Amino acid sequence: DAKTTQPTSMDCAEGRAANLPCNHSTISGNEYVYWYRQIHSQGPQYIIHGLKNNETNEMASLIITEDRKSSTLILPHATLRDTAVYYCIATRNTGNQFYFGTGTSLTVIP
Amino acid sequence: GAVVSQHPSWVICKSGTSVKIECRSLDFQATTMFWYRQFPKQSLMLMATSNEGSKATYEQGVEKDKFLINHASLTLSTLTVTSAHPEDSSFYICSARDTRYNQPQHFGDGTRLSIL
Repeated sequence: DAKTTQPTSMDCAEGRAANLPCNHSTISGNEYVYWYRQIHSQGPQYIIHGLKNNETNEMASLIITEDRKSSTLILPHATLRDTAVYYCIATRNTGNQFYFGTGTSLTVIP
Repeated sequence: GAVVSQHPSWVICKSGTSVKIECRSLDFQATTMFWYRQFPKQSLMLMATSNEGSKATYEQGVEKDKFLINHASLTLSTLTVTSAHPEDSSFYICSARDTRYNQPQHFGDGTRLSIL
C-alpha cells in the first residue's frame, strides 16, 4: 500500500472551510484514498473515499489530483466538533488493510 | 447504519489473566474484521485481519499465540489477550467491513485495557 504524508497539525477558524492535504505520490492504479477522523478516545469515523474522481457527501468533499499523487479533504464549514485527528489512507479495495500514518491534528478555533 | 459495537469499553485486570474483547457488527454482515492497537499519542497499528470462517492473518511482529482471534460468524469477532502483562495495556479497536458490497471499514469505539 502507498505511504501517505500529511501535515502534523492545522488550525481552522470556526465556520471557515478546512482544507486538509495528503500526499500519496507512490499510489498505484488500483488503490483508493480513504479519509477517517478520530476524536479523542473514540474509534475512527469514516468520512469519504475515492479512486480518481472527486467525491462529495454530507460530511466533506474529496479532491484528487489528476495524477492521483495527492488529495485534499475539504470540510466546507468547520465547527468545533470537527476538532480531531484526520487520517488519509491509500489501500486496495481487495484486502483493504489500513496502515495508518500519523495523521493531521485539526483544531477548529472559535 | 453500519454500526460496530465493541465490548467491554474499559477493563482492568491483574497480570497473568486472559481478557476477551468482543466486536459485533449490528446492522450488516462483516465478511472481514480487523483488529488494531493504539498506544497513547500514537497512531493505530494493524494487528490482524480475519475473514469469517478462516484463520486470522497476523501482521509481522504480532504474536498469534498471545492475541487469539476468532471470527466464527458474520457478525462477531473476538480478540483474546492471553496471559496479559502490563506492556499489553493499550487501546484495542476493531473494525468491520462487508467486502461483497465495496463497503468501507467501520470502527468500534475501542476497548481500553489496563493490566496491573
